[in-house]
Amino acid sequence: DIVMTQSPDSLAVSLGERATINCKSSQSVLYSSNNKNYLAWYQQKPGQPPKLLIYWASTRESGVPDRFSGSESGTDFTLTISSLQAEDVAVYYCQQYHSTPLTFGPGTKVDIK
Amino acid sequence: QVQLVESGGGLVKPGGSLRLSCAASGFTFSDYFMSWIRQAPGKGLEWISYLSSSGGTVRYADSVRGRFTISRDSARNSLYLQMNSLRADDTAVYYCARARGSTVPFDYWGQGTLVTVSS
Repeated sequence: DIVMTQSPDSLAVSLGERATINCKSSQSVLYSSNNKNYLAWYQQKPGQPPKLLIYWASTRESGVPDRFSGSESGTDFTLTISSLQAEDVAVYYCQQYHSTPLTFGPGTKVDIK
Repeated sequence: QVQLVESGGGLVKPGGSLRLSCAASGFTFSDYFMSWIRQAPGKGLEWISYLSSSGGTVRYADSVRGRFTISRDSARNSLYLQMNSLRADDTAVYYCARARGSTVPFDYWGQGTLVTVSS
């Protein structure tokens, strides 16, 4: 199974400041046939289901604000919120969809400082 | 608009059974793989099963294999999860979610239904 880890567990950032969340996969989630990392990021606000933000590690889902971006380096992935807004308070999960069992990271809680 | 509405959750005793349903609307149900994903109270997300658009491919997480059965009815635009031999650690909110294939992310989730396994 591919194990996903995330850091930090939580972070508090001032409004308008940058938030950075890290995710690491225990093995590659890259398919060489298309050179894509099968890695997604989701946002889950309290009492709501998760919402897809980023897929293929760095492609923003339609309608997602451009302050959200994803990057990749080998088996390390990063979600960046460039200028934190109040509505961004949530738990963020990474997920690999390379192979079953499909697995999620443990989540990173983002709050306002 | 896309809607996924889960139902069937509730309180059940250990060893009991429950059948969850997910009613889909606003999209062509038969074009999508469908999954069940659960979230224990205050915990993270755990994928437990998916079923291909045709119904020909099914996968389960080890934690539920042999106890849970996923199925779909395209005529009713519905997804199901039959849960048998329930245990306390099956207590969770169960979400259904859609994906275009087996190796694509979940682009839409339902609101979830709570299953509580307790004596």
